[in-house]
Amino acid sequence: NAGVTQTPKFQVLKTGQSMTLQCAQDMNHNSMYWYRQDPGMGLRLIYYSASEGTTDKGEVPNGYNVSRLNKREFSLRLESAAPSQTSVYFCASSALAGVWNTGELFFGEGSRLTVL
Amino acid sequence: ELKVEQNPLFLSMQEGKNYTIYCNYSTTSDRLYWYRQDPGKSLESLFVLLSNGAVKQEGRLMASLDTKARLSTLHITAAVHDLSATYFCAVVSTSGTYKYIFGTGTRLKVLA
Repeated sequence: NAGVTQTPKFQVLKTGQSMTLQCAQDMNHNSMYWYRQDPGMGLRLIYYSASEGTTDKGEVPNGYNVSRLNKREFSLRLESAAPSQTSVYFCASSALAGVWNTGELFFGEGSRLTVL
Repeated sequence: ELKVEQNPLFLSMQEGKNYTIYCNYSTTSDRLYWYRQDPGKSLESLFVLLSNGAVKQEGRLMASLDTKARLSTLHITAAVHDLSATYFCAVVSTSGTYKYIFGTGTRLKVLA
């Protein structure tokens, strides 16, 4: 039972380099999310996808792009990395709250990104 | 815009003591979630509160939701060292956007 899987777990980039964080879930969830976590800032929503085929900006979308490749996969791309994007990134997924679901988020293990 | 505030941000307490963490949010919502995070780890779901007046308890932790006051509390009873962690609340907007907004977290340290 993998749940939410993120890759890579660690990455070091130089300023200006690009990279993609991958996320996949095997729980048949409709909604997927990308958050970043910085000390003292809690989790801030970057982008989310309420359902396959849709993506929307969160609280801090600048400098990022996302792709909802299919129902299982949601990737986060940094086109030109900056030191301010040094952070821990979490992917999460959720079934919509309803009779059979509580709507809670399930998280991946996180990806620690350092931009030099 | 939905905003979520937690307080305190940091809490150091002695074992055996009681304390409460508060989570306030700015717009209408009837769903609130509490998570725990250990250092260097991911977030683990603790409680799901889905209606006004909901109360959930697990061991020494009890969470409640007052949607009219836009307030949730996480009460710690007779704290033990194992409860040391960071606790987050998260709120979902009822506007249909499915955005989960988190509070800044409360870092709890229980001293022996």
